[in-house]
Amino acid sequence: EDKVVQSPLSLVVHEGDTVTLNCSYEVTNFRSLLWYKQEKKAPTFLFMLTSSGIEKKSGRLSSILDKKELFSILNITATQTGDSAVYLCAVENQGGKLIFGQGTELSVKP
Amino acid sequence: DTEVTQTPKHLVMGMTNKKSLKCEQHMGHRAMYWYKQKAKKPPELMFVYSYEKLSINESVPSRFSPECPNSSLLNLHLHALQPEDSALYLCASSQDQWGLYGYTFGSGTRLTVV
Repeated sequence: EDKVVQSPLSLVVHEGDTVTLNCSYEVTNFRSLLWYKQEKKAPTFLFMLTSSGIEKKSGRLSSILDKKELFSILNITATQTGDSAVYLCAVENQGGKLIFGQGTELSVKP
Repeated sequence: DTEVTQTPKHLVMGMTNKKSLKCEQHMGHRAMYWYKQKAKKPPELMFVYSYEKLSINESVPSRFSPECPNSSLLNLHLHALQPEDSALYLCASSQDQWGLYGYTFGSGTRLTVV
């Protein structure tokens, strides 16, 4: 059965800290891995990763995929209170189905 | 227009009611999706429509009935729901079901069944 596991499930840090969120997966017919940020409502797209070893970067956020070891990490540097959210990792299979992990709830304290 | 619009934002319905959730996008996307998200849980896929045809039904109970009247609209008809069906219902779209196009999510409809 396809499975996506995120760790940690929750994390509390202080502003300015750097955090690393983990996502491991076992999905047949892998197509891509996506990271989303979810605050109150809709998940907001962060990154789509398809190739191993190529870092994607957007401001203070970056992510990388390892297709051999079947995991991805999402890094956030110099965290701010506005980064507080649930971060969802999802793996897309060839049929266009997204399998989500449980999410990591990040809380950034002032 | 780069949004997926869902209406209503909130809905409270009784177990004998019939209601519909609506989802609309004008990005020319040909794949549309319904996800269900319970509190503190990740979204779970319910249905996929590709080129207005039902492509995936994740064994969803028949009290949920999807409809895709045209390429821009996706409905979810609700009938005889149970309190455990209370959840956030998310609609998403992508350019195509079969390529690496990513997904755009709507803000969701928060449904409460009483």
